[in-house]
Amino acid sequence: AQSVTQLGSHVSVSEGALVLLRCNYSSSVPPYLFWYVQYPNQGLQLLLKYTSAATLVKGINGFEAEFKKSETSFHLTKPSAHMSDAAEYFCAVSDAGNNRKLIWGLGTSLAVNP
Amino acid sequence: DAGVTQSPTHLIKTRGQQVTLRCSPKSGHDTVSWYQQALGQGPQFIFQYYEEEERQRGNFPDRFSGHQFPNYSSELNVNALLLGDSALYLCASSELGVSGRNTGELFFGEGSRLTVL
Repeated sequence: AQSVTQLGSHVSVSEGALVLLRCNYSSSVPPYLFWYVQYPNQGLQLLLKYTSAATLVKGINGFEAEFKKSETSFHLTKPSAHMSDAAEYFCAVSDAGNNRKLIWGLGTSLAVNP
Repeated sequence: DAGVTQSPTHLIKTRGQQVTLRCSPKSGHDTVSWYQQALGQGPQFIFQYYEEEERQRGNFPDRFSGHQFPNYSSELNVNALLLGDSALYLCASSELGVSGRNTGELFFGEGSRLTVL
């Protein structure tokens, strides 16, 4: 069965600092991987996705993620944090054997300090 | 191109009542999934509808039921409301039925915030 682990339920960075949100997955088949962002009292918005093309994926708002098969990781990064990046971030893997239902991590809350 | 729309955005009910939430999928999408998100938690999968049938279901009691209409829109019904049903209910659409294009990517609405008193 596929699963997703997000390391660190809360991450705090200073404005302008590097953002690194960690996601590890387990899957017996090549996965499709996603990062979603949720701002307070809003729905989830897709940041970026890996669907077996380039391993370095660029998303919206300056975020990117690198698929590393050997490490079963799909960490999310942004070179310089902005106050507006404060939100909840969810990593998800697509279940290839179950109509591609998304399996979700528990989320990481990102705080950006001035 | 309209995205996923949900209604109502907020509602308040009392224990024991029933509620119906509505969702219109993104244009071109044929599949609707419903999620419950309690405060401070991640989304929990309730069920998925495709071709007007419930195709998958998460670990939710029968009090939670749904429907999909021929135009792909969907409703989520919750009977005999409990205090613990208070949550943000998210609808997400995708194009499950289109061969070769289904990656699992979901497009979410803004959610319906249900408060049960």
